[in-house]
Amino acid sequence: GAGVSQSPSNKVTEKGKDVELRCDPISGHTALYWYRQSLGQGLEFLIYFQGNSAPDKSGLPSDRFSAERTGGSVSTLTIQRTQQEDSAVYLCASSPSKGLGQYFGPGTRLTVT
Amino acid sequence: QQQVKQSPQSLIVQKGGISIINCAYENTAFDYFPWYQQFPGKGPALLIAIRPDVSEKKEGRFTISFNKSAKQFSLHIMDSQPGDSATYFCAASMRGGGADGLTFGKGTHLIIQP
Repeated sequence: GAGVSQSPSNKVTEKGKDVELRCDPISGHTALYWYRQSLGQGLEFLIYFQGNSAPDKSGLPSDRFSAERTGGSVSTLTIQRTQQEDSAVYLCASSPSKGLGQYFGPGTRLTVT
Repeated sequence: QQQVKQSPQSLIVQKGGISIINCAYENTAFDYFPWYQQFPGKGPALLIAIRPDVSEKKEGRFTISFNKSAKQFSLHIMDSQPGDSATYFCAASMRGGGADGLTFGKGTHLIIQP
């Protein structure tokens, strides 16, 4: 079956612009996660959705970051007024339910110039 | 505060040998410990996971050993092959592994020499 898909695979944007990253989880997976991977910080957890709700948004790096999930499926991560330090690979993962393994997509490589 | 410490940073093993990667954690509330394998340009792939009620779990050539009292766990790759060359991450989480995010180690770059 299809795995987690993410789009775009690569995004280059100018500092100060807004970007939107998309994640399509594995069909039927109720839990969805966003992570960021960078050389300096490794793999960092950003936010978790169970269904359409995110119980805890404290992992988001700043108030420029927001995420939503609609229909219990697709999720978007939005970064407003991008900064150079936002350059990283943004990874999405999904899980069948709480307590089971997380399965990652290929990521979106974001470069802020 | 680095809650999951992983070592070594890099490892070179001869084909057919045993690769061993170690992790130590600080938060005793962690109760789910997965290992991920990542190839360049790809997302991490779940390899094997363990919960603290068992001391060892084996899947094919991959084995997790878990020491709850020492707050340590390790990945053993038996009969290592060149195709195993990748970056490996240990991770940990609380509340059954799904209610919050994974805390990852910094990764181990493994090279299997033919």
